[in-house]
Amino acid sequence: QQQVKQSPQSLIVQKGGISIINCAYENTAFDYFPWYQQFPGKGPALLIAIRPDVSEKKEGRFTISFNKSAKQFSLHIMDSQPGDSATYFCAASMMGRQLTFGSGTQLTVLP
Amino acid sequence: NAGVTQTPKFQVLKTGQSMTLQCAQDMNHEYMSWYRQDPGMGLRLIHYSVGAGITDQGEVPNGYNVSRSTTEDFPLRLLSAAPSQTSVYFCASSLQGGYGYTFGSGTRLTVV
Repeated sequence: QQQVKQSPQSLIVQKGGISIINCAYENTAFDYFPWYQQFPGKGPALLIAIRPDVSEKKEGRFTISFNKSAKQFSLHIMDSQPGDSATYFCAASMMGRQLTFGSGTQLTVLP
Repeated sequence: NAGVTQTPKFQVLKTGQSMTLQCAQDMNHEYMSWYRQDPGMGLRLIHYSVGAGITDQGEVPNGYNVSRSTTEDFPLRLLSAAPSQTSVYFCASSLQGGYGYTFGSGTRLTVV
């Protein structure tokens, strides 16, 4: 059973545009929602994370929007750059337990 | 400070062979995990450990064994390799369970 569903599978955006990746979860006990960024040949790296008592968190050009009632959260990348081209994973965990990952989104930002 | 170190980076095995994927961290993290990454399936948890001497199964544990004799090391053993175990394997560690995991650079395993 896939507890975290991620879409789209791939995304192509022009430089300077906004990239939006969406995730939905099923388990209301999840209390931590991170996003990871992965470049080819590298391991995933923590990008930004949010807890369900906050509706939005912004770090530079990256913003997480969180909708607790809809059980959805999304990553917005403003002013997307070619260097942002990577695979992005959403994830969720509860009470400090192990992460459950979404299936990933391959983002390509065209110059 | 090397972070999480995985060896080898690449490995080709024949069906039925056994091997150990090594993982070491120098951050004194209590939590360590092994994930496998397959196209379109994200990262799936194989085994994890919450401290030396304590391990537990994740989502896809069959065909894999782990042990944790020290805080630093968390090796993953493939008992009898199968083509279905062809994947990229990632080790990760964290000070606080699901929060803020640091990943290694991965081991790409091919079973023929």
